[in-house]
Amino acid sequence: AQTVTQSQPEMSVQEAETVTLSCTYDTSESDYYLFWYKQPPSRQMILVIRQEAYKQQNATENRFSVNFQKAAKSFSLKISDSQLGDAAMYFCAYRSAREYGNKLVFGAGTILRVKS
Amino acid sequence: DTEVTQTPKHLVMGMTNKKSLKCEQHMGHRAMYWYKQKAKKPPELMFVYSYEKLSINESVPSRFSPECPNSSLLNLHLHALQPEDSALYLCASSQTLAGGNVDTQYFGPGTRLTVL
Repeated sequence: AQTVTQSQPEMSVQEAETVTLSCTYDTSESDYYLFWYKQPPSRQMILVIRQEAYKQQNATENRFSVNFQKAAKSFSLKISDSQLGDAAMYFCAYRSAREYGNKLVFGAGTILRVKS
Repeated sequence: DTEVTQTPKHLVMGMTNKKSLKCEQHMGHRAMYWYKQKAKKPPELMFVYSYEKLSINESVPSRFSPECPNSSLLNLHLHALQPEDSALYLCASSQTLAGGNVDTQYFGPGTRLTVL
């Protein structure tokens, strides 16, 4: 079974600075998808960014980018120019490309605090 | 419009009550999901519906009964719950259960359930 590990329970960043959240995963599959979801205190899970494993190019969405290292099974999220609205719980998630059901395997989450 | 709505936002119920949670999406998605989330933990998948048919039941106790009356609506009927069932219940939808770009799950804001 696949597992996702987020080794940082909490992180802090000063407003306008850059922070990187770590995520590693374990799988024997070669084709899969990876996601970062954000859950602010308002509770709604919001998709931040996704990466297809077959794509070598790292995904980017505005201030959010990933460093996808397939051989190392690492999928870190970099947030540039951090804003107060970035404060949230961030979940890394894995989805198999082969298994039926579109199931997401989540990491334990990282709480990001943004200081003004 | 990538919106999934859930009602009610909060629900308090006794162990002998019967209540229902409602989830709605108008994105034309044909897959819908129920998750349970405890505080500061990742969501746990409960049920998956595909084209209004139950596709996955993650061994959820029978006191939780899902229903998908049509392609836009998903209900979760609750009966004889236990205090440990208190949690945030999240609904999500995706275009289908297939892989590729169609598989991204969009989440609703959740219902905060308290069982007394």
